[in-house]
Amino acid sequence: QVQLVESGGGVVQPGGSLRLSCAASGFPFSVAPMHWVRQAPGKGLEWVAGISSDGNSYYYADSVKGRFTISRDNSRDSLYLQTSSVRLEDTAVYYCAKEAYTSGRCGPFNIGGQGAMVAVSS
Amino acid sequence: DIQMTQSPSTLSASVGDRVTITCRASQSISRWLAWYQQKPGKPPKLLIHMTSNLEAGVPSHFSGSGSGTEFTLTIDSLQPDDFATYYCQQYDNYSPTFGQGTKVEFK
Repeated sequence: QVQLVESGGGVVQPGGSLRLSCAASGFPFSVAPMHWVRQAPGKGLEWVAGISSDGNSYYYADSVKGRFTISRDNSRDSLYLQTSSVRLEDTAVYYCAKEAYTSGRCGPFNIGGQGAMVAVSS
Repeated sequence: DIQMTQSPSTLSASVGDRVTITCRASQSISRWLAWYQQKPGKPPKLLIHMTSNLEAGVPSHFSGSGSGTEFTLTIDSLQPDDFATYYCQQYDNYSPTFGQGTKVEFK
């Protein structure tokens, strides 16, 4: 059973940084492409970033490109999102997501856990 | 980016109703479309992938159809557990995008 547990959320000032983590279990993490998906309060879903199973390829939404960095540690079954130069509009619940099928596409996702809340506020 | 437009944004229905949610893509995505269900305070749950393939454990009164730019999610005989918000998602390229969501609420 896929389990994804996010951590590292909190309150951060505009322009600041925060590192989110996701602990994965219940599946072979090292062969699974992984992603981050976020949801602003009361709003819809937005894909943020994705990373290949070996960590050598990564993709970002235009809204975070150059500010966020996705990474993984397959020896620790963990996924990370380093956020920097955060903006008010980055306030959201950040979910860790596993690609549900090896389709060679960015999706669909098993979006797990309760998410990590990031609140950007001065 | 490929824009995904869902309609309606809100749908009022009763238990037993048949409801249809439409998702339109700004360009052809073949059949690379998924549907998710989200309840308050919970992460989205994958219901359907590849337009019409139900995930294991998803009740058979859910179905999906379409191709190219027009897709539908149909819920036959709406059950109390089905009141939720539904999102479509295209994954045709390396910049996946979601629709804005359709909230199915009690009439």
